[in-house]
Amino acid sequence: QITLQESGPTLVQPTETLTLTCTFSGFSLRTSAVGVGWVRQPPGEALEWLGLIYWDDDKRYSPSLKSRLTITRDTSRNQVVLTMTNMDPVDTATYYCAHRPSGDYLRVFDYWGQGTLVTVSS
Amino acid sequence: EIVMTQSPATLSVSPGERVTLSCRASQSVSSRLAWYQQKPGQAPRLLMYGASTRATGIPATFSGSGSGAEFTLTISSLQSEDFAVYYCQQYDNWPLTFGQGTRVEIK
Repeated sequence: QITLQESGPTLVQPTETLTLTCTFSGFSLRTSAVGVGWVRQPPGEALEWLGLIYWDDDKRYSPSLKSRLTITRDTSRNQVVLTMTNMDPVDTATYYCAHRPSGDYLRVFDYWGQGTLVTVSS
Repeated sequence: EIVMTQSPATLSVSPGERVTLSCRASQSVSSRLAWYQQKPGQAPRLLMYGASTRATGIPATFSGSGSGAEFTLTISSLQSEDFAVYYCQQYDNWPLTFGQGTRVEIK
């Protein structure tokens, strides 16, 4: 059974760096073509894709956020870490990590964490 | 960036009715289109990928169609648990992009 869980701060000051950890089980990031993605959702708004890290450490980022985002993985601990610099109140959102299944071009998310609400405020 | 446009924004429906949701891409995405369902306070749930392939555990009351730039999600008979927000997502090109969602509410 695949599960994912986000953890990190619920409140971040403007200009600070956000670090979120996604701890997962039920799959390995060593498995070919598997990936873990990050998606966020401001309150009452739509989903926004942030980035994706693959089993082979290939990474893809949203162009609009690329300069502020870093996604890394720790395969031994089954964790993926999202770092976002220079946080702003507009970055207030629920942040989700999600499993990308193996399969050519199958860049969808079939298992999701419960999400963590991050508020950016002084 | 491919822009995904969903219509309508809100749909008021009675239980048992048939519902059709639309999703349009700003350029062709072939059949690389997914649908998600999201209920209040919950994470999205994958319903459909490849435009018409149901994800694991999704009932046959849900069906998807379309290719290129025009897609539809149909719920053949709306159940109480189907009232939610539905999002489409294209995965043909980077960056991955979602539509703004269609809210299906009780009439």
